Amino acid sequence: DIQMTQSPPALSASVGDRVTIFCQANQDIRKLLAWYQQKPGQAPRVLVYDASTLQPGVPSRFSGSGSGRDFTFVITTLQPEDVATYYCQQYDHLPLTFGGGTRVEI
Amino acid sequence: QVQLQESGPGLVKPSETLSLTCNVSGYSIGSGHYWGWVRQPPGQGLEWIGFIFHTGVVFYSPSLKSQVTISVDASKNQFSLKFTSMTAADTAMYYCVRVASIHALTYFDFWGHGTLVAVSS
Repeated sequence: DIQMTQSPPALSASVGDRVTIFCQANQDIRKLLAWYQQKPGQAPRVLVYDASTLQPGVPSRFSGSGSGRDFTFVITTLQPEDVATYYCQQYDHLPLTFGGGTRVEI
Repeated sequence: QVQLQESGPGLVKPSETLSLTCNVSGYSIGSGHYWGWVRQPPGQGLEWIGFIFHTGVVFYSPSLKSQVTISVDASKNQFSLKFTSMTAADTAMYYCVRVASIHALTYFDFWGHGTLVAVSS
């Protein structure tokens, strides 16, 4: 199985801050990575796929980059409604696997 | 708009079989895409269980394969999960999901609200 390691596990930032989350795979997954946002009590929703493509309707303050083993997810200007846990997911190989999540607090 | 809705018991006893159904609206299962299940134990991360195409082609997580059966009924526009020999470790929120393309290896673009299943005697 491909192991996905996210860091940090949690972070606290202020409104307007730039937030960066990292995701590393234990083998090359090309650009086959998605990022999800899960707000408390809700199902996850996809924000970014193919490492850097924004899902339609997702605000432009969210972005993703990377390829191979190392990926980055950025919120350029943190908003109160961005409080959530963020997960990466690889889809280069079965079984599909997720990172452990990063909880973002304000 | 595609909508998914899980249904099933909120409580099962240890060693029993869990049966969940996902009803799909706003899209015909027979039109394509894989349809599947993801679970999340309380306070923990996400785990892929498996998914199925309307033709019956199915993929399971190797770690859960011995316990899981996913089936589809395109005529009812629904798919189902059976999970045998449940233990306390299987207590989780169970989500039904749509895979984003006709190819199995991709992300999930639509999620149900989830149904919480507790395993307890």
